[in-house]
Amino acid sequence: EAGVAQSPRYKIIEKRQSVAFWCNPISGHATLYWYQQILGQGPKLLIQFQNNGVVDDSQLPKDRFSAERLKGVDSTLKIQPAKLEDSAVYLCASSSWGDEQFFGPGTRLTVL
Amino acid sequence: SQKIEQNSEALNIQEGKTATLTCNYTNYSPAYLQWYRQDPGRGPVFLLLIRENEKEKRKERLKVTFDTTLKQSLFHITASQPADSATYLCALVQNAGNMLTFGGGTRLMVKP
Repeated sequence: EAGVAQSPRYKIIEKRQSVAFWCNPISGHATLYWYQQILGQGPKLLIQFQNNGVVDDSQLPKDRFSAERLKGVDSTLKIQPAKLEDSAVYLCASSSWGDEQFFGPGTRLTVL
Repeated sequence: SQKIEQNSEALNIQEGKTATLTCNYTNYSPAYLQWYRQDPGRGPVFLLLIRENEKEKRKERLKVTFDTTLKQSLFHITASQPADSATYLCALVQNAGNMLTFGGGTRLMVKP
């Protein structure tokens, strides 16, 4: 079984630029999550999708972050414009029944 | 305020000993608690889930306990090996929803 795929693996941008991350969940998983993990901390949930609907986006900074999951499969997370404090690893995860989550390798974002 | 606390200092133990990691929480009513393992540069990997009505769960050399009175979970690795060296994250899901909230993680170093 293929795991959760994410791209790119690394991204370096200047502050105020835009960036987008892509995630392809495990086939058949209805629930998809985006997390932000700052160095030395645990992952923090940004947004949770059930199929193509948003279940929870209470911790998503909506003035600069957006996410979509068209057709209930792949998802993209965008930051526009980026700030220095957005430097982190962005993790995508998926699950079938909402318990065990399967994580991708993450995208390491550096904002200069 | 709500908190999930794990020892931020690394735990160093000798190979063959039992490692015990602690997860304490305040102002949560978790339906269940999960433990994940995270290696450098990788996403977390699910290890065990324990529900609020369960006291203990085992899987091979791993054991998790859950005390809702003390608001604490303990994670044990028996007969530890250098390959067990990683960061271990606890995460809980509240009764009211299925959003997973992570602690900061504890780094375990097993020395040969």
